[in-house]
Amino acid sequence: GNSVTQMEGPVTLSEEAFLTINCTYTATGYPSLFWYVQYPGEGLQLLLKATKADDKGSNKGFEATYRKETTSFHLEKGSVQVSDSAVYFCALRPRSGGYQKVTFGTGTKLQVIP
Amino acid sequence: NAGVTQTPKFQVLKTGQSMTLQCAQDMNHEYMSWYRQDPGMGLRLIHYSVGAGITDQGEVPNGYNVSRSTTEDFPLRLLSAAPSQTSVYFCASSLGGKGGEQYFGPGTRLTVT
Repeated sequence: GNSVTQMEGPVTLSEEAFLTINCTYTATGYPSLFWYVQYPGEGLQLLLKATKADDKGSNKGFEATYRKETTSFHLEKGSVQVSDSAVYFCALRPRSGGYQKVTFGTGTKLQVIP
Repeated sequence: NAGVTQTPKFQVLKTGQSMTLQCAQDMNHEYMSWYRQDPGMGLRLIHYSVGAGITDQGEVPNGYNVSRSTTEDFPLRLLSAAPSQTSVYFCASSLGGKGGEQYFGPGTRLTVT
């Protein structure tokens, strides 16, 4: 079956530090890949996505590139802010017909300190 | 445009009680899903629907029922609450097709004592 593996947290960084959160996946075919963010007390919201190999998703200074050869979709940001403190989920969605069940990673908590 | 709404936000039940978690979306999305979120386990799919009148089981359906009589609403029923159902529940909706992202509600925090 499909699976998503994320680096375990929590990750603690100082403001303006460089962020990388690793994500690798196992799936047949060419799934769509997503990063969702969950702020305290809220639901998940889409951060960025990529739908085919070598696509780069980007939003709010975050980036991730769909690497088919390494089955990875690592999340990066050049300079984090305190407001980026949240839990980040990597997810994949198969492309086969009908309802495509989304597989989520376990989430990585990021804490940014001033 | 309210997006996905869920009620209640918090709920405490005693073992054996039943209740319904409400979910509604105003984006005319065909797909709707219920997840539970537990520490260290990410999100697990309980039930989902691909349109009005059509529902199916996810990976952890036991103890839960769903129905979808309209495109907008997708309630989740707990038949006889158990402490193992203490969790945070999220409803999500999405369009079909490749690349479709999900839109999540704010969640319901349920405690079963």
